[in-house]
Amino acid sequence: GNSVTQMEGPVTLSEEAFLTINCTYTATGYPSLFWYVQYPGEGLQLLLKATKADDKGSNKGFEATYRKETTSFHLEKGSVQVSDSAVYFCALTLMNSGYSTLTFGKGTMLLVSP
Amino acid sequence: DVKVTQSSRYLVKRTGEKVFLECVQDMDHENMFWYRQDPGLGLRLIYFSYDVKMKEKGDIPEGYSVSREKKERFSLILESASTNQTSMYLCASSFAASGTDTQYFGPGTRLTVL
Repeated sequence: GNSVTQMEGPVTLSEEAFLTINCTYTATGYPSLFWYVQYPGEGLQLLLKATKADDKGSNKGFEATYRKETTSFHLEKGSVQVSDSAVYFCALTLMNSGYSTLTFGKGTMLLVSP
Repeated sequence: DVKVTQSSRYLVKRTGEKVFLECVQDMDHENMFWYRQDPGLGLRLIYFSYDVKMKEKGDIPEGYSVSREKKERFSLILESASTNQTSMYLCASSFAASGTDTQYFGPGTRLTVL
């Protein structure tokens, strides 16, 4: 079946540090890949996505590159801010019988201190 | 902006009660989804619907049912609530069945079953 594995948290960083959150996937087919973010007390919102190999998704200073050869989609940011503290979910979706559903990783909490 | 609303942010119910969780989206989306979110388990799909009166089981449908009588509204029903259904419930919607389509999430309902 399809699955997403992401690094366990919490990840604790100081402001302006470099961030990497690892994500690897297993899929029967050619998935689209997503990063969603959940700020405290809120629902999830899309951060970025990539739909084919070597695509780079980017938003709000975050980037992730779809690596088919390593089945990975690692999230990076060059300089984190306190406001980036949230839970980050890696996810994939595949078409199946005419519809698609998201498979999520377990989430990685990021805590950024001033 | 797409808006997905859920009827309650917090809900406390007793074991054996019938519980209704309501979700409404205002963007004429075809697809709607119900997830539960638990620490260490991430998001798991309970049910989804790709059209009015249509429904499909997700990964963990046991103990739940759904109703979609109108396009904008998708209800999750716990026929006889149990303590192991204490969780955060998230509703989402998306425009089309495309594998690249973004899901938009509501703020969640934290349900406690005593």
